[in-house]
Amino acid sequence: NAGVTQTPKFQVLKTGQSMTLQCAQDMNHNSMYWYRQDPGMGLRLIYYSASEGTTDKGEVPNGYNVSRLNKREFSLRLESAAPSQTSVYFCASSPLAGVLSGELFFGEGSRLTVL
Amino acid sequence: AQTVTQSQPEMSVQEAETVTLSCTYDTSESNYYLFWYKQPPSRQMILVIRQEAYKQQNATENRFSVNFQKAAKSFSLKISDSQLGDTAMYFCAFKKAAGNKLTFGGGTRVLVKP
Repeated sequence: NAGVTQTPKFQVLKTGQSMTLQCAQDMNHNSMYWYRQDPGMGLRLIYYSASEGTTDKGEVPNGYNVSRLNKREFSLRLESAAPSQTSVYFCASSPLAGVLSGELFFGEGSRLTVL
Repeated sequence: AQTVTQSQPEMSVQEAETVTLSCTYDTSESNYYLFWYKQPPSRQMILVIRQEAYKQQNATENRFSVNFQKAAKSFSLKISDSQLGDTAMYFCAFKKAAGNKLTFGGGTRVLVKP
C-alpha cells in the first residue's frame, strides 16, 4: 500500500533554477497539502487543496505555485529557486471534513538544497 | 491566526519512565481539534493522538495520554513507560473545527535512553 508518494527525495538546485515536486496519493483522499519543515519552526503550510479543482494559500506561499492535477496528484513548483527555500518538503493528504480531516497522511519528504 | 507553541526543544527520558511534553495554543475559536504527531528518525510523520475541544475527557491511546486544559489553552502529551521506539520529534497541531488546515508547533525532540 503506497499511501503518499513524493518525488524526488533529494534535489540540489542553483539559485534561479526551477523545479517541480510531485506528490500522489492512492487513498482516494479529498484534501492534499504541501508543508515545509525547517529546524525550530515545525511544519509550515505552503499551499493546500481542499478538494479536486481548488487550491488555497497557506502561511508561506511566496515563491511557490501548485497544481491539483486530479484527485490523486498535487504538485509544487518553484519557479525561481532561492537559498531561503532550502528545506524539507512534505506532501500530505486527508480524507474527510471534521476531526478526521486532522489525520494527515504524510509522504516521506523531499530534501531540497538551493545553492 | 492560530499559533501553537512548544516550549521544550529537547527532552530525554530513561526507558520505562514517563515524560510530559507541553503545548500551548492561541485561538479565538470555541470549537477546534488538537493533535500530537510523531516524526521518527525515518522522517515519516504519524498521528499519535487527537482531542476534540468540546470533549472534556482527556484522550488516551495506550501509553499516550493528554492533559487538555481548555481555559488555559494547554494541551500536554504524556508518554508512559517510555520505549526506545518513542525516540522522535513530536509536534503539537491545531485545527479549527470548520477548517481543513493544521497549524503545527515547532516540535520537541524526545530521546529515550536505555
